[in-house]
Amino acid sequence: NAGVTQTPKFQVLKTGQSMTLQCAQDMNHEYMSWYRQDPGMGLRLIHYSVGAGITDQGEVPNGYNVSRSTTEDFPLRLLSAAPSQTSVYFCASSYSASNTEAFFGQGTRLTVV
Amino acid sequence: GENVEQHPSTLSVQEGDSAVIKCTYSDSASNYFPWYKQELGKGPQLIIDIRSNVGEKKDQRIAVTLNKTAKHFSLHITETQPEDSAVYFCAASRGTYKYIFGTGTRLKVLA
Repeated sequence: NAGVTQTPKFQVLKTGQSMTLQCAQDMNHEYMSWYRQDPGMGLRLIHYSVGAGITDQGEVPNGYNVSRSTTEDFPLRLLSAAPSQTSVYFCASSYSASNTEAFFGQGTRLTVV
Repeated sequence: GENVEQHPSTLSVQEGDSAVIKCTYSDSASNYFPWYKQELGKGPQLIIDIRSNVGEKKDQRIAVTLNKTAKHFSLHITETQPEDSAVYFCAASRGTYKYIFGTGTRLKVLA
């Protein structure tokens, strides 16, 4: 049982490049979300999904897209990377709205130069 | 907007002493308050949580207290050990998977 798996662990992008951060969970959780973690700012919600085919914006969605074609996967896409997107990104999943413990992945450290 | 304030940002204690981290939330509809521990290079991990119908919860050396009237909740760690050194985050939620996180407290336990 791997839990929440994020790839890659580290990535360096040039401004304007695009990439996809992968997130997969094997716990059959309905709820999945993406957070970014910046020094002194805690974790901020980017996008979330309540189930396959359903996504919505969080607190800081600009510059990011998501899709949820399966229960297991929830990729985060950066369409045109900017230095302001340099951050550590965490994917999380939860079983349901009533059982709300969030399980986090190990994170992806992204640097945009 | 909704926010959660967390203090202090850094905390150093001697091994065996107690540590207290405090959070204040703004959304009066919040009813679920988890605490997460993040070790270096890892994702946050839930250590304890409390719901709004409970004033206090304990789990061995860790306890959380909630004052709904004042919109405060606190994490208490007793008999601290070096392995307690980490960054701790509080969060508030309306009972859904969407959390508002505090800015974190870096706890150092000095041997």
